[in-house]
Amino acid sequence: GAVVSQHPSWVICKSGTSVKIECRSLDFQATTMFWYRQFPKQSLMLMATSNEGSKATYEQGVEKDKFLINHASLTLSTLTVTSAHPEDSSFYICSARDAASGSDEQYFGPGTRLTVT
Amino acid sequence: GQNIDQPTEMTATEGAIVQINCTYQTSGFNGLFWYQQHAGEAPTFLSYNVLDGLEEKGRFSSFLSRSKGYSYLLLKELQMKDSASYLCAVRGTGGFKTIFGAGTRLFVKA
Repeated sequence: GAVVSQHPSWVICKSGTSVKIECRSLDFQATTMFWYRQFPKQSLMLMATSNEGSKATYEQGVEKDKFLINHASLTLSTLTVTSAHPEDSSFYICSARDAASGSDEQYFGPGTRLTVT
Repeated sequence: GQNIDQPTEMTATEGAIVQINCTYQTSGFNGLFWYQQHAGEAPTFLSYNVLDGLEEKGRFSSFLSRSKGYSYLLLKELQMKDSASYLCAVRGTGGFKTIFGAGTRLFVKA
């Protein structure tokens, strides 16, 4: 099956700094990727839809200036958490759909655990 | 608005059968997914239903009724490793955006 990777798998940063998380589709091209956030014992909350070559679409309540998304190629989307605060500590997961395969399955990356101190 | 409801927790015995229900109200519908998620890991795909009826895949089956906004995931011959959270997710129309329910934590006991 299709593989999605994320880097880093975990990161600790100080409050006020910025952190970039990469999401890559390893063996397929993804015109659309999705970014989710998951707090402990809660479900995945969709943050934004990342579209290759265009601006991301953010969900209501998600600050686009704080969570910068760039989808510069068909295999890479990045999420940058700017001016991170402890409340941004969470599990960030990306997913992608292999449109060319005709499959409706959404492939998830392994997630990035962010801790802001 | 969009709303996906599933029970918070369930407990079942090893070797038994358990059914996890999911009801949804969404502005559009383009398929319903079930995912399994172990603590600290990303979700893994279990099933996808877009038409009414039952889809069977080994020990796992998923049912959908679009008119009732209802789905269930059936797990047979439960194993200890099935202890996990099970997420019901609905894909809307346009853009393939998928919204997740809060998840059902399943505990399998010996």
